[in-house]
Amino acid sequence: GAVVSQHPSWVICKSGTSVKIECRSLDFQATTMFWYRQFPKQSLMLMATSNEGSKATYEQGVEKDKFLINHASLTLSTLTVTSAHPEDSSFYICSASVYRGRDSPLHFGNGTRLTVT
Amino acid sequence: SQQGEEDPQALSIQEGENATMNCSYKTSINNLQWYRQNSGRGLVHLILIRSNEREKHSGRLRVTLDTSKKSSSLLITASRAADTASYFCATDAAGGGGNKLTFGTGTQLKVEL
Repeated sequence: GAVVSQHPSWVICKSGTSVKIECRSLDFQATTMFWYRQFPKQSLMLMATSNEGSKATYEQGVEKDKFLINHASLTLSTLTVTSAHPEDSSFYICSASVYRGRDSPLHFGNGTRLTVT
Repeated sequence: SQQGEEDPQALSIQEGENATMNCSYKTSINNLQWYRQNSGRGLVHLILIRSNEREKHSGRLRVTLDTSKKSSSLLITASRAADTASYFCATDAAGGGGNKLTFGTGTQLKVEL
């Protein structure tokens, strides 16, 4: 149980275009999902917390107009990288927990490798 | 930065040996978790230890937590080639809303046949 599906697994796009990444909880409802960015051989950096039915909470330094997050249902959150540039190339990963509160492990999607040419 | 640090950054051992990774963090925590990441994939939860616990076991994994030193260690016993991956510690800060984790810098483990 507790499967998180992320799509696409990889995408190549041209500079200036927008890319949408989907994150779905397949067998549980996720009122909160998290979006991370990871550079090669580095740790995960939290970008934003996606809350179902309300606005996302962005971490300091993350441009909310560039990384649009929508959490329209209890099982789906999307991250749209708008007007992508080569420096946005990275590995993006989403996660969700089965229930809120302390001591709840996160379940991760398999990530999306974005390459902007 | 609140990010924790892990050492070593990289570790190469022979199959059958034990692997120990250490994690240090900066804030008071509710719990500390360890995750594994295979190259180019998402993270998989391994084990969670609460702030009032000192040691926890799960299969070949043993985790210790020393809140006075703000450190944790992950021991993988009798390692296998399939254990080759990156391992991250993550902390759930005390007073936070829960689930919002801060990840360490990671240890790349390579287990050779």
